[in-house]
Amino acid sequence: EVQLVESGGGLGQPGGSLRLSCAASGFSFSSYEMNWVRQAPGKGLEWVSYISSGSGNTKYYADSVKGRFTISRDNAKNSLYLQMNSLRAEDTAVYYCARLVVTAIPRYFDYWGQGSLVTVSS
Amino acid sequence: DIQMTQSPSSLSASVGDRVTITCQASQDIRNYLNWYQQKPGKAPKLLIYDASNLETGVPSRFSGSGSGTEFTFTISSLQPEDIATYFCQQYDNLPYTFGQGTKLEIK
Repeated sequence: EVQLVESGGGLGQPGGSLRLSCAASGFSFSSYEMNWVRQAPGKGLEWVSYISSGSGNTKYYADSVKGRFTISRDNAKNSLYLQMNSLRAEDTAVYYCARLVVTAIPRYFDYWGQGSLVTVSS
Repeated sequence: DIQMTQSPSSLSASVGDRVTITCQASQDIRNYLNWYQQKPGKAPKLLIYDASNLETGVPSRFSGSGSGTEFTFTISSLQPEDIATYFCQQYDNLPYTFGQGTKLEIK
């Protein structure tokens, strides 16, 4: 059974840092492109970041987090990470890790974690 | 970035009603459009991919259509378990963008 389990959320200070982790199981993690998607309280979904399969050499970021957030993966540990620096109040959200289906076309998020709440406040 | 405009933002309907949600893209996205269902406190769940393809295991009362910039999502006969928020999402270009969501309630 495919499972994605996020951890590392909590209260962060404005200007501070947090690191989210996503533990994957039930599939060949290294073969899949992975993403982070967030949802501010009571709001819609916002794609945050993408990392390619394998060595993860290709990474993309939403403009809202570019230069502050870093996505990475450790295939030996079946884990995805999001390093969040220079946190802002508007980063407050539930953060989901989401797997991209393996095909080139179509492309959709076929599995999601349960989400990890990040609250940025002093 | 491609903007996805979803309407209505909320909808109240009775069990058995036909429900329709629309999604408009700011530019041609071919058929690269997905629909997700999100229930309170849960992660989104894929229902429709490539505008009209039903994900395995999803009830056939759900359907999608459209291409280019105009898309439609339909529930043919609303069931109580369909109460949720529905999102469209394009994957023609990064950043992948979502519609703002349609919150569906039972009348």
